[in-house]
Amino acid sequence: GENVEQHPSTLSVQEGDSAVIKCTYSDSASNYFPWYKQELGKRPQLIIDIRSNVGEKKDQRIAVTLNKTAKHFSLHITETQPEDSAVYFCAASKGAGSYQLTFGKGTKLSVIP
Amino acid sequence: GAVVSQHPSRVICKSGTSVKIECRSLDFQATTMFWYRQFPKKSLMLMATSNEGSKATYEQGVEKDKFLINHASLTLSTLTVTSAHPEDSSFYICSASDSGSTGELFFGEGSRLTVL
Repeated sequence: GENVEQHPSTLSVQEGDSAVIKCTYSDSASNYFPWYKQELGKRPQLIIDIRSNVGEKKDQRIAVTLNKTAKHFSLHITETQPEDSAVYFCAASKGAGSYQLTFGKGTKLSVIP
Repeated sequence: GAVVSQHPSRVICKSGTSVKIECRSLDFQATTMFWYRQFPKKSLMLMATSNEGSKATYEQGVEKDKFLINHASLTLSTLTVTSAHPEDSSFYICSASDSGSTGELFFGEGSRLTVL
């Protein structure tokens, strides 16, 4: 089955700096790659996603890039703010309507004011 | 976005009892719902895929008789933890996809189970 590796497990950045989280996946059939933000004790919230027919997607301070050949995708957060502090999870699925996701292990991002 | 509601948000029970957790899609129909388990500071682990009107599909290592899943309608799936033990204490989260739109997954609020 699919295996998703996520790095780093923890990341501390100064407010205003950029943060980058990287994930790799094993199943070349995966075609949907969402990123979730989870605050302590709360449900994961989708922040951005990308499908395999696109190489990059941007939404304000958040961007995701996908390299299908290398089977890796990355989350980029620019101009970080304290409220960006949370655990971020990448995930991969084969889509096709069912969206059964395999999650990475998560990255705890701390933005230092 | 679509709303998925999960109930109860917290439950404490004695060892040996059974606990039922409900997951409802409030404003859309979900033929498929997913159940996850999350340990403190750990990732979401898919337990099973719940399909409306049919048996759930369980991930390897998940005991079917321990974690009973029922998806009787297009808006409700339930997870019953049977004969709960302290090691079953965890954060359980469901998700559902609004297949009529982008297919984005929406998560319930989660249920924190503590077995004494």
